[in-house]
Amino acid sequence: EVQLVESGGGLVQPGGSLRLSCGASGFAFRSYWMSWVRQAPGKGLEWVANINEDGRAIYYLGSVKGRFTISRDNAKNSLFLQMNSLRAEDTAKYSCTRDVQGRYKYHFEKWGQGTLVTVSS
Amino acid sequence: QSVLTQPPSVSAAAGQKVTISCSGSSSNIGNNYVSWYQQLPGTAPKLLIYDNDKRPSGIPDRFSGSKSGTSATLGITGLQTGDEADYYCGTWDDSLGGHYVFGSGTKVTVL
Repeated sequence: EVQLVESGGGLVQPGGSLRLSCGASGFAFRSYWMSWVRQAPGKGLEWVANINEDGRAIYYLGSVKGRFTISRDNAKNSLFLQMNSLRAEDTAKYSCTRDVQGRYKYHFEKWGQGTLVTVSS
Repeated sequence: QSVLTQPPSVSAAAGQKVTISCSGSSSNIGNNYVSWYQQLPGTAPKLLIYDNDKRPSGIPDRFSGSKSGTSATLGITGLQTGDEADYYCGTWDDSLGGHYVFGSGTKVTVL
């Protein structure tokens, strides 16, 4: 069974940092693109960043570029999101996803339950 | 403000049909496949439709997807109370170096 389990969320002050982790199991992690998707309380879905199988292709949402860094450790079946210079508007539940990527196609096949990040003083 | 436009809400009686529109542009829907996600209250989103009109294993054929030009549509027939959820369209956008975009979301209510 595919499992994606996020951790690392919590309360952080504006300007602070946080590192999220996503542990994957039940599939060949090294063979998939992965993403972080967030959802602010009561709001819609917002894609944050994705990374290809070997970590050499990475894309970011414009508002997090330069502040967030996505990475992966295929040996440990883990996905990460380093978040620096956090702002109140980054407050959201962050979920990792297993993705399907191809020519003209991209979608999120499996989702984790998410970890809540709250940025507040 | 979302790049993809969806109606905030749609509703119909149980057993009836609803459609949800998703309007975009040439850099996103016009050039890439569309997917749809269902988010039941308090749960993680689930893939409902991918590649415009394909259903993952386990998704009933009451759910259908289509795309024409820069717009896509999700249809739900035989509406059930268990279908009450938020529905999001999404696709890759080729502008600004490439990024993924979601629709604003549509709340489906079964009357």
